[in-house]
Amino acid sequence: DAGVTQSPTHLIKTRGQHVTLRCSPISGHKSVSWYQQVLGQGPQFIFQYYEKEERGRGNFPDRFSARQFPNYSSELNVNALLLGDSALYLCASSPGPSPYNSPLHFGNGTRLTVT
Amino acid sequence: EDQVTQSPEALRLQEGESSSLNCSYTVSGLRGLFWYRQDPGKGPEFLFTLYSAGEEKEKERLKATLTKKESFLHITAPKPEDSATYLCAVQARYSGGGADGLTFGKGTHLIIQP
Repeated sequence: DAGVTQSPTHLIKTRGQHVTLRCSPISGHKSVSWYQQVLGQGPQFIFQYYEKEERGRGNFPDRFSARQFPNYSSELNVNALLLGDSALYLCASSPGPSPYNSPLHFGNGTRLTVT
Repeated sequence: EDQVTQSPEALRLQEGESSSLNCSYTVSGLRGLFWYRQDPGKGPEFLFTLYSAGEEKEKERLKATLTKKESFLHITAPKPEDSATYLCAVQARYSGGGADGLTFGKGTHLIIQP
């Protein structure tokens, strides 16, 4: 079975630009979450979507936005990029809405470098 | 604010040398504590979910335990392929706008030498 797939795998952008990251969940999974992992740190929660509705948002500025499509795939958008946005962006999917009874399955991430 | 602290930051062991990794947490009501393994250049891989103090779970050479303040990941007779960063995360019962987002620690970088 295919796992969570993310594209692109690597990306280099300039400060002030906009970026769109994409995620396809495991077949049958209806929840998608996005995490940011800065080098040497643990992942930090950005968004969760379940059944195409935003279910939760972490402590990130409004420059970050996301959406989930009818096929449960998802996009993360970041506007007005800053150097500090350089990180590994991880997408995770799960069958149900809560990790409590439905563990997250992570993709291998998109490595974003902002210069 | 929910907090997760992992120690040590890095650990180097000889093959077969058993040890434990620590995860201390502060959370407004624990719904679940999670252990993940992350290899370089990869996303985290799910290992265990623990729900209440006293609970234990095992998988091959790994055993996770939970108390009211911390969790331990015990590694018995490790092999070089167990080398990875081990991440601990918590899900709070009351997380406001964060809903079901996990709070992760910084991880323990484990190296097993042959």
